[in-house]
Amino acid sequence: SQQGEEDPQALSIQEGENATMNCSYKTSINNLQWYRQNSGRGLVHLILIRSNEREKHSGRLRVTLDTSKKSSSLLITASRAADTASYFCATEGFSGYSTLTFGKGTMLLVSP
Amino acid sequence: NAGVTQTPKFQVLKTGQSMTLQCAQDMNHEYMSWYRQDPGMGLRLIHYSVGAGITDQGEVPNGYNVSRSTTEDFPLRLLSAAPSQTSVYFCASSSQGGGGGYTFGSGTRLTVV
Repeated sequence: SQQGEEDPQALSIQEGENATMNCSYKTSINNLQWYRQNSGRGLVHLILIRSNEREKHSGRLRVTLDTSKKSSSLLITASRAADTASYFCATEGFSGYSTLTFGKGTMLLVSP
Repeated sequence: NAGVTQTPKFQVLKTGQSMTLQCAQDMNHEYMSWYRQDPGMGLRLIHYSVGAGITDQGEVPNGYNVSRSTTEDFPLRLLSAAPSQTSVYFCASSSQGGGGGYTFGSGTRLTVV
């Protein structure tokens, strides 16, 4: 079963605007990760936030995590056409082994 | 270049045929896993391994077999292909604990006719 659910399913913006994607999950997590997938390609790891962290930055990316609401958001500032891709959140649980449970993704289109 | 290598990139099978999807990583990662990606479904875990000789089932293991004889390789076997196995398959690896995130291969697009 899917752990994370991204919202919105699709997002269309202009270059220079900010893009915000949300992710909700169901069970307690060890960490939450965001991945990008360009059309026809594999997934690329963007950022990881641990359950005891509330906010994390990496370049133009800002991730927040609210464990009380079981939700996370990914903000991409000053979007570029090259940011056009699908974005997935994935959660990692507390079990002794490491597997990811993915959401269905948000498709972001950034128009020049 | 370091990373996860998947072969083949594309494959067409007839119903009932068997085949092996290859996955190799050169980062000495302990954890490896296989996912399938279907339209509108995100990625679903098929099988995973936490080290050589250790494998376990994920969310959708039926019809697939895996083994892990070395740290580097984690092949996925389709025993008797069915049209429902038409999908894009991704192999991923991470260091123990996954603290650095997962590295994904570029995928194998499989069509079963």
